[in-house]
Amino acid sequence: QSALTQAASVSGSPGQSITISCTGTVSDVGDYDHVAWYQHNPGKAPKVLIYNVNSRPSGVSHRFSGSKSGNTAFLTISGLQPEDEADYYCSSYTGSSTPYVFGTGTKVTVL
Amino acid sequence: EVQLVESGGALVEPGGSLRLSCSASGLTFIHAWMTWVRQAPGKGPEWVGRIKSKINGGKIDYAAPVTGRFTISRDDSKNTLYLQMNSLKTDDTAVYYCAAGVGTSDFDHWGRGTLVTVSS
Repeated sequence: QSALTQAASVSGSPGQSITISCTGTVSDVGDYDHVAWYQHNPGKAPKVLIYNVNSRPSGVSHRFSGSKSGNTAFLTISGLQPEDEADYYCSSYTGSSTPYVFGTGTKVTVL
Repeated sequence: EVQLVESGGALVEPGGSLRLSCSASGLTFIHAWMTWVRQAPGKGPEWVGRIKSKINGGKIDYAAPVTGRFTISRDDSKNTLYLQMNSLKTDDTAVYYCAAGVGTSDFDHWGRGTLVTVSS
């Protein structure tokens, strides 16, 4: 199972919106609505931002939203803030013997 | 507040063994599906394996690269998850995270990770 493809880096100015993509295949992102997004600051515990494509856990800001089209999932961060600077990863259920695959990661920089 | 704390990471020579622990608090551990995820330097996370709750059968699954070498277990009386790693290879070098699934997904909560370095 190959890793999901993400852009290595995305940047934006405070207040702007940015979108991070996560491209998989018909066997993972394209076939299941179990796509999740995580925010990770190195040295800290990863934090779930989105699960099941577009659901937010309680306590996660409404500035984070998820969507999916075909084999690609998207995470949009609206009203970008300095504290959003972190690494972001996606994951998808695969239905195979390795049930989950993760993305390659996107580093978000707030200019 | 849910807390997952991994421990046991170390520098070990190829072919060696190591046991990682993940101590959980703030959640009903017996009901949690527990997963190990690793992240090698400069790479994305990789699913290592999962143990379901005993009430859900306690099934354990492993990723192909670690099958036969790694063993996942849990002690619900101690709220602790374990990862026994044998026949370690340099490719096993990574930060190892434990994650707890308590309802919405397999990865509702994560620990900060523990570093395993396999090198001679």
